[in-house]
Amino acid sequence: SQKIEQNSEALNIQEGKTATLTCNYTNYSPAYLQWYRQDPGRGPVFLLLIRENEKEKRKERLKVTFDTTLKQSLFHITASQPADSATYLCARMDTGRRALTFGSGTRLQVQP
Amino acid sequence: SQTIHQWPATLVQPVGSPLSLECTVEGTSNPNLYWYRQAAGRGLQLLFYSVGIGQISSEVPQNLSASRPQDRQFILSSKKLLLSDSGFYLCAWSPGTQVIYFGEGSWLTVV
Repeated sequence: SQKIEQNSEALNIQEGKTATLTCNYTNYSPAYLQWYRQDPGRGPVFLLLIRENEKEKRKERLKVTFDTTLKQSLFHITASQPADSATYLCARMDTGRRALTFGSGTRLQVQP
Repeated sequence: SQTIHQWPATLVQPVGSPLSLECTVEGTSNPNLYWYRQAAGRGLQLLFYSVGIGQISSEVPQNLSASRPQDRQFILSSKKLLLSDSGFYLCAWSPGTQVIYFGEGSWLTVV
């Protein structure tokens, strides 16, 4: 089966540091990987999409990498702020259907 | 711009009662539509998706069903709720690209 895994349930860092979240996939190399942010009691919000032929994608303080050899995507938040505290989800589109499969998420807590 | 509306936001239902959650999308046509469920502390589970009116693909063969009576309307139903149906239900849509956009969600507690 096609799996997508976020092995860290939670990550606590100090304000100003860089947060790095990991997403691994198995059995199938997706053409795209996506990252979403979910605040408690809210629906996920799209942040970034990276294609397999893109090594890196940036948006303001966010950076995503895609390593097809390691079958891994890393999500970085630089100069983290308490407002960045949320659950971050990675996702990929499955072959054969037009729907996303999500990882279980990493809950990021940025301490002031 | 496109918007998605989902209701009700919260409901408490007894075991064995019926369920109807409704979702509509505005500002687009022929969207892909989705229902996801998120149990407490768990990840997002795809329940149903639809690429057109009357076209429903089911991922979870339980006591839930979905219907798409109109292009931008997606309904999640159950005839008899189970305790295990409790959770956070999210409707979402996509213009056919890789990205999907979620509604605000509906909290269902089955008692």
